[in-house]
Amino acid sequence: QITLKESGPTLVEPTQTLTLTCTFSGLSLSTSGVGVGWIRQPPGKALEWLAVIFWDDTKRYSPSLKRRLTITGDTSKNRVVLSMTNMDPVDTATYYCAYRRGGSSTGGVFDSWGQGTSVTVSS
Amino acid sequence: QSVLTQPPSVSGAPGQRVTISCTGSSSNIGTNYDVHWYQQLPGTAPKLLIYGNNRPSGVPDRFSGSKSGTSASLAIIGLQAEDEADYYCQSYDTSLSGFWVFGGGTKLTVL
Repeated sequence: QITLKESGPTLVEPTQTLTLTCTFSGLSLSTSGVGVGWIRQPPGKALEWLAVIFWDDTKRYSPSLKRRLTITGDTSKNRVVLSMTNMDPVDTATYYCAYRRGGSSTGGVFDSWGQGTSVTVSS
Repeated sequence: QSVLTQPPSVSGAPGQRVTISCTGSSSNIGTNYDVHWYQQLPGTAPKLLIYGNNRPSGVPDRFSGSKSGTSASLAIIGLQAEDEADYYCQSYDTSLSGFWVFGGGTKLTVL
């Protein structure tokens, strides 16, 4: 059984950097084809893909946010960390991490999701 | 503005059939990449409902997905009250350096 859980601050101030951690079990980031990604959802709005890291350390970012995002993986600790710089109130959202199942570092499906962590950006 | 376009809402009575459309372009749905569907019940995380033309274990066969050209559809037959949720389509876009895309979501109301 694959489980993922997000953790991080619930409140950040504008211009600060947000750091979120995804801790997972039931999968290994060193297994070929495995990816772990981040998706966010502002209140009452749609899902938005942010970033994904793959088993071979390939990293992919949303074109509109790539300058602000950094994703890293710790295979030994089964963790993936997402950093987002220069936070703004419009970044207020629930942030999900998810297991991306697929055979390569393109396409594929977000098979299992964490419960999400709510982040509010406010001074 | 989502890359994939879905109707904001659909509705149907119990037992009826409903479909939810997902319209994209030649760089996403129009490619060889599959379209996937997620169900999000109120206050919960999205759950994978359909991947390509397949259902994960435990998903009733009342749910099915299809794709044609640059559009995809989710069909639900024998609508049940528990199906009331938000539904999202997702695919992969090959433009720029390639990225994952979601639809804007559709709220299904069971009358």
